[in-house]
Amino acid sequence: GAGVSQSPRYKVAKRGQDVALRCDPISGHVSLFWYQQALGQGPEFLTYFQNEAQLDKSGLPSDRFFAERPEGSVSTLKIQRTQQEDSAVYLCASSPTRGEHWANVLTFGAGSRLTVL
Amino acid sequence: EDQVTQSPEALRLQEGESSSLNCSYTVSGLRGLFWYRQDPGKGPEFLFTLYSAGEEKEKERLKATLTKKESFLHITAPKPEDSATYLCAVPGNQAGTALIFGKGTTLSVSS
Repeated sequence: GAGVSQSPRYKVAKRGQDVALRCDPISGHVSLFWYQQALGQGPEFLTYFQNEAQLDKSGLPSDRFFAERPEGSVSTLKIQRTQQEDSAVYLCASSPTRGEHWANVLTFGAGSRLTVL
Repeated sequence: EDQVTQSPEALRLQEGESSSLNCSYTVSGLRGLFWYRQDPGKGPEFLFTLYSAGEEKEKERLKATLTKKESFLHITAPKPEDSATYLCAVPGNQAGTALIFGKGTTLSVSS
């Protein structure tokens, strides 16, 4: 596709429900990132994939958060037993390179807005 | 701890009224400072990368500059379409795979 596609764009969940957020990166992009952006805040790093390998998950806030990219393309961020503090926009970004200048060619999706009631 | 602080949080300008946004950072070994623009309901869009003190980059009405402790985004004669949130970020972890973002400056330009 022309850009990074995320779905659903909006998700409302009741506290305690599990949710799954999907990211379709730009075709051929090696690196894939997930960020969480709370209202009025800058994005915060969650996790990083290089192809299918999850190389950094240091930003995942708890063991309720899980991400996968099994075939090195589409990625899913799963949140189990959602809490109100999980309400945020979840941004996916991809880059064609894993080298030094990966951030110069980083493309973000529009995000999935999660509201937990 | 690596940190990025942006000021002001919000800025209102009249069309044509030039101003500057500030981004101060504390990192151990700068590997680039990035400026992004974010429109409501959209993801951040890359604007500039600066790597060393004294470096400058320009794009239309925007010019980014870098010192050893901070970066400025200068907006010359802004137009309403420049209204957006401007974010700055630095690579913040050892592997350099995570960007640390500031909270952003929300710019509103009225005609």
